Amino acid sequence: GAVVSQHPSWVICKSGTSVKIECRSLDFQATTMFWYRQFPKQSLMLMATSNEGSKATYEQGVEKDKFLINHASLTLSTLTVTSAHPEDSSFYICSAGGGQGAFDEQYFGPGTRLTVT
Amino acid sequence: GESVGLHLPTLSVQEGDNSIINCAYSNSASDYFIWYKQESGKGPQFIIDIRSNMDKRQGQRVTVLLNKTVKHLSLQIAATQPGDSAVYFCAENSGWGKFQFGAGTQVVVTP
Repeated sequence: GAVVSQHPSWVICKSGTSVKIECRSLDFQATTMFWYRQFPKQSLMLMATSNEGSKATYEQGVEKDKFLINHASLTLSTLTVTSAHPEDSSFYICSAGGGQGAFDEQYFGPGTRLTVT
Repeated sequence: GESVGLHLPTLSVQEGDNSIINCAYSNSASDYFIWYKQESGKGPQFIIDIRSNMDKRQGQRVTVLLNKTVKHLSLQIAATQPGDSAVYFCAENSGWGKFQFGAGTQVVVTP
């Protein structure tokens, strides 16, 4: 199957600083990528849809000014958590589809564990 | 942050037995579903998918059943092995690659 990578795999930052997480599709191009957040013992919650060449679309309740998304190329999307706070500590996961159809499987990255101290 | 007291439903299965994991989905218009397996500290891993024009689909040791009448999905794992221990999520397609995930079920395989 297709491979999606994330970097870093884990990061610790101080409260008030910003952290950038990268999501890359390694062997296919993705015009659309998705960012999810997962708190311990909970399910994945979709945060936003990252669109190559245009603005991201955010799910209800997700602050777009706090979670900046940039889909710089067909193989890279970045999520920047700005002015991070301890409550932003979570597992952030991206996904990308190999095709453009409505029934396409989504390939998930390995996730990035963010801890804000 | 973390919700205090929240925990995943757990299914404890003896090695070699069959497992059945259930999922209720919310949107009657959903037309594509995927079961994912997630091991601790890792991203979700695709297991099997099914489209709404099917009732059943089989893979290697896994079967997914879809009942659109009651909006219910199940995953059956045959001859459960220790490596099957993980959290299992059903996900429904809410449009063009965007998926809504279920709450998840923790499967624990005992020897």
